[in-house]
Amino acid sequence: QEQLQESGPGLVKPSGTLSLTCAVSGGSVSRDFFWSWVRQSPGKGLEWIGEVIHSGSINYNPSLKSRVTLSVDKSKNYISLNLSSVTAADTAVYFCAYSTGWYRLDSWGQGTLVTVSS
Amino acid sequence: QSALTQPPSASGSPGQSVTISCTGTSSDVGGYDFVSWYQQHSGKAPKLIISEVNKRPSGVPDRFSGSKSGNTASLTVSGLQAEDEADYYCSSHGGSNNPFVFGTGTKVTVL
Repeated sequence: QEQLQESGPGLVKPSGTLSLTCAVSGGSVSRDFFWSWVRQSPGKGLEWIGEVIHSGSINYNPSLKSRVTLSVDKSKNYISLNLSSVTAADTAVYFCAYSTGWYRLDSWGQGTLVTVSS
Repeated sequence: QSALTQPPSASGSPGQSVTISCTGTSSDVGGYDFVSWYQQHSGKAPKLIISEVNKRPSGVPDRFSGSKSGNTASLTVSGLQAEDEADYYCSSHGGSNNPFVFGTGTKVTVL
């Protein structure tokens, strides 16, 4: 079973860009999985950000679409998330996860906390 | 798209059953048999415990069961155990523009 590990800066300045990567071990990002990002603001619920598949097909949460970019790096076997023009409202734990189909998120990384503050 | 509605909390004594509801609309819960449930212990990542309304992934105890009627899905935890104390989130497919719509979450306390 694939293992996922998120990484990236824990602190981002307002109006900047949040950039995270999710390393995949025990498998390949080239499998026909849907690789998703989900976030959870402190003490709050889960919010789906978007998903990408190795072929390049991407879906974004309509509420974040204008600020989000997802990509797959096959050579490094990871997926990445860029979220631009961040504000304090983007402070959250960011999880990567994958779906083998049927709109379920089969397995998740441990998550990484990103704080937006000056 | 709005989050699915769950009760903020639920509780039960060890050995009892607790049922959590997840209410959406005909555009999500009512429109697809793609309702999932996730268990999240404090400080941990969510874990898939039910998919496609009532299917349990390998390794998930059969104490966990799911169902759906109309625009409302439900998760029942039977024979409550101390380790079932966690937050539970439902999720539904919400159409091509929103593959995943999450619920507001329910904190289950084992008394």
